[in-house]
Amino acid sequence: DIQMTQSPSSLSASVGDTVIITCRASQNIVTYLNWYQQKPGKAPKLLIYSASTLQSGVPSRFSGSGSGTDFTLTISGLQPEDFATYHCHQSYTNPGFGQGTRLEAK
Amino acid sequence: QLQLQESGPGLVKPSETLSLTCSVSGVAIASSSYYWGWIRQPPGKGLEWIGGIYYGGSTYYNASLQSRLTIAVDTSENQFSLNLQSMTAADTAVYYCVRSDFWSGYPRHFDSWGPGMLVTVSS
Repeated sequence: DIQMTQSPSSLSASVGDTVIITCRASQNIVTYLNWYQQKPGKAPKLLIYSASTLQSGVPSRFSGSGSGTDFTLTISGLQPEDFATYHCHQSYTNPGFGQGTRLEAK
Repeated sequence: QLQLQESGPGLVKPSETLSLTCSVSGVAIASSSYYWGWIRQPPGKGLEWIGGIYYGGSTYYNASLQSRLTIAVDTSENQFSLNLQSMTAADTAVYYCVRSDFWSGYPRHFDSWGPGMLVTVSS
């Protein structure tokens, strides 16, 4: 199985900050990497697929990059509604998820 | 607009079988080239893929659950289901039904989710 490791596991930031979350795969997954946002008590929501393609309706302050084993999710100009948990997901083989990154208000 | 909704028991006894149904509205499962599946999340933990079914009927299961798992589609009701046998406390989780596109043998990204349903395993 491909292992997905996110870092950090949690971070604190302020409105307006730029935040970077990373996800590392245990083997080459090309660009088969997706990012989801999850708010408490809610289902995850797809933000970015294929490493860098923004899902329809997602604000442009969210961006993704990377290929191979190392990927990043960047939130530029953090908004109050962005405080949530973020999950990466590899779809190169049977689905596997990172452990999640909790983004909290400083 | 596509909507998914999980239904089933919120409490299951140890050793019993969990049966969940996902009702789909807004698209006909039988006529859409999508993958329909299940993902779970134990309280306070990360997401775990359970398995799913492609519209043609092929099933795909997490190897760690395969021996206890059955996923099926009922096209007449526009629903798909999950049966998980021999439940233990470790199966306590929020269960989500999901849709994904599908190519080259794997679901690629989960673009629609049900709201989720907490299933607790306890006597």
